[in-house]
Amino acid sequence: SQQGEEDPQALSIQEGENATMNCSYKTSINNLQWYRQNSGRGLVHLILIRSNEREKHSGRLRVTLDTSKKSSSLLITASRAADTASYFCATDPGPGSNYKLTFGKGTLLTVNP
Amino acid sequence: EAGVTQFPSHSVIEKGQTVTLRCDPISGHDNLYWYRRVMGKEIKFLLHFVKESKQDESGMPNNRFLAERTGGTYSTLKVQPAELEDSGVYFCASSQIGTGWAKTQYFGPGTRLLVL
Repeated sequence: SQQGEEDPQALSIQEGENATMNCSYKTSINNLQWYRQNSGRGLVHLILIRSNEREKHSGRLRVTLDTSKKSSSLLITASRAADTASYFCATDPGPGSNYKLTFGKGTLLTVNP
Repeated sequence: EAGVTQFPSHSVIEKGQTVTLRCDPISGHDNLYWYRRVMGKEIKFLLHFVKESKQDESGMPNNRFLAERTGGTYSTLKVQPAELEDSGVYFCASSQIGTGWAKTQYFGPGTRLLVL
């Protein structure tokens, strides 16, 4: 698998359900970030979790990080049709690599009304 | 506060032509990054500026790509001559200077480049 690889590649759910996306990575990180991209638009930053954090919440978003397993998950609760988008995790190795992000291919989430 | 802006939003050119993409970062952000997403692949890092200095251009695919950030404000990315495989979405991102823990990178809407 590649650094910052998301799973599943595509996810289709009904409005109101929860959506969980996973991300695995290979090398050590300073932090991990999740981004959303609506069709044809730019990347929107959702949440950043530092390597010394295990869980973080922001509104309907919950992110977990397990550095021992080199994995992260993004949970969107009570999904809405407007949550339909591609979701990317990005790993940040820290200052030694100029904080450049490494992205996965993304999970395409479709929330059906 | 204005976000990161990119121009143009779309560009369609023929192979062999030159295209220049522009990025205006968030005011006060000294870090500026260029990334690219080629169809069906991951978003990949191209290069990083701190103010006007190139810190890391390890992701630049070849010498047909030239990035500048004169004065440490906006940046341009020129592709000359463009090839078919250069088609994709070019993203720019900016962040504040920080040590230790990283600052969030804010992305622009991207420039969709199609080389025919």
